[in-house]
Amino acid sequence: NAGVTQTPKFRVLKTGQSMTLLCAQDMNHEYMYWYRQDPGMGLRLIHYSVGEGTTAKGEVPDGYNVSRLKKQNFLLGLESAAPSQTSVYFCASSSLQGDYGYTFGSGTRLTVV
Amino acid sequence: GEDVEQSLFLSVREGDSSVINCTYTDSSSTYLYWYKQEPGAGLQLLTYIFSNMDMKQDQRLTVLLNKKDKHLSLRIADTQTGDSAIYFCAERYDTGGFKTIFGAGTRLFVKA
Repeated sequence: NAGVTQTPKFRVLKTGQSMTLLCAQDMNHEYMYWYRQDPGMGLRLIHYSVGEGTTAKGEVPDGYNVSRLKKQNFLLGLESAAPSQTSVYFCASSSLQGDYGYTFGSGTRLTVV
Repeated sequence: GEDVEQSLFLSVREGDSSVINCTYTDSSSTYLYWYKQEPGAGLQLLTYIFSNMDMKQDQRLTVLLNKKDKHLSLRIADTQTGDSAIYFCAERYDTGGFKTIFGAGTRLFVKA
């Protein structure tokens, strides 16, 4: 019973490089989310998806793209990494609209140098 | 705009009760949540309360909601060293589409 799995757990990028963060859930949840966590700022929503093939912008979408080709997977892409994107990234999923809370992955710590 | 505020730090002695407080601004909240984050881990849902409730108890955890003052608290009875973590308050509200916002988190230190 894995829940929400994120890969990789750690990554160091050079400015301008690209990468994709992977999120997989095995709970048959419709809704999936990508957040970033920065010190003293809590969690900020980057993008979310309400179902396979659909995505929407959150609070801080600039510099990121997402795809939800399969219900169980939600991918977060950085096309040209910047130092401001140094953060811890969390994926989460929920049934329906998340009334009963979210299930989070363990996070990806990304450093852009 | 919408906001959820928490104090950043709380320190208690092992065996004492801990009370973590949270205030929110949006009056159309539907659910309010408490999450726990241990070092190097993701957020784990501890409990939630529907906005028409005043209190919810779950073993050592008691959640109190004062909707008039937009104040939410989490009381942990008999606090243990294993309770040391960051606790996040979150609010779900209806803006024509549901939205959840998180506070910045309260770091709880438990001294032996």
